[in-house]
Amino acid sequence: DQQVKQNSPSLSVQEGRISILNCDYTNSMFDYFLWYKKYPAEGPTFLISISSIKDKNEDGRFTVFLNKSAKHLSLHIVPSQPGDSAVYFCAAVYGNKLVFGAGTILRVKS
Amino acid sequence: DGGITQSPKYLFRKEGQNVTLSCEQNLNHDAMYWYRQDPGQGLRLIYYSQIVNDFQKGDIAEGYSVSREKKESFPLTVTSAQKNPTAFYLCASRDSLLSGNTIYFGEGSWLTVV
Repeated sequence: DQQVKQNSPSLSVQEGRISILNCDYTNSMFDYFLWYKKYPAEGPTFLISISSIKDKNEDGRFTVFLNKSAKHLSLHIVPSQPGDSAVYFCAAVYGNKLVFGAGTILRVKS
Repeated sequence: DGGITQSPKYLFRKEGQNVTLSCEQNLNHDAMYWYRQDPGQGLRLIYYSQIVNDFQKGDIAEGYSVSREKKESFPLTVTSAQKNPTAFYLCASRDSLLSGNTIYFGEGSWLTVV
């Protein structure tokens, strides 16, 4: 049972435009959500997070939106840069269990 | 510097052998995790531990074993019962005493069956 889903395996965006990465979840017990960026053969690095009591969190070029009623969150990257090309994972937390989505490959074209 | 150290970076296993991946953290985190990533797939939870001498199975624990004798160490043994062990393994930790805190990852270990 996949509790966290990233339905788009890949996304291609032109440099300078907005990248929107989506994530859906099924477990209403999740109380915290995170986005990670990963390059091949490296560990994921933390990008941004959001608590379930908020609907938006912004950090520089990165903004995460949470729609609890739809059980949906999204990561917006504006403007997109070629260095943003990587795999992006969303993750959801309840208790000490952290569940990841399958990831979305983002390619930013220059 | 504080962080999570995984070793070895690359490991080759012969059929029928057990191998152990090391994970050490000096972040004073209570919770530690092991994930597996297969090509083109996401991170799947193998085992996690919330405190010393306690651990729980994740989604794909079969063929793996762990121990948590010390707070800073959470080694993962890939046993011969794991039929498809070739993958990229990631260890992570989190300070479970702080709500909403992030999880930090090591650099990963590549395991290949030869």
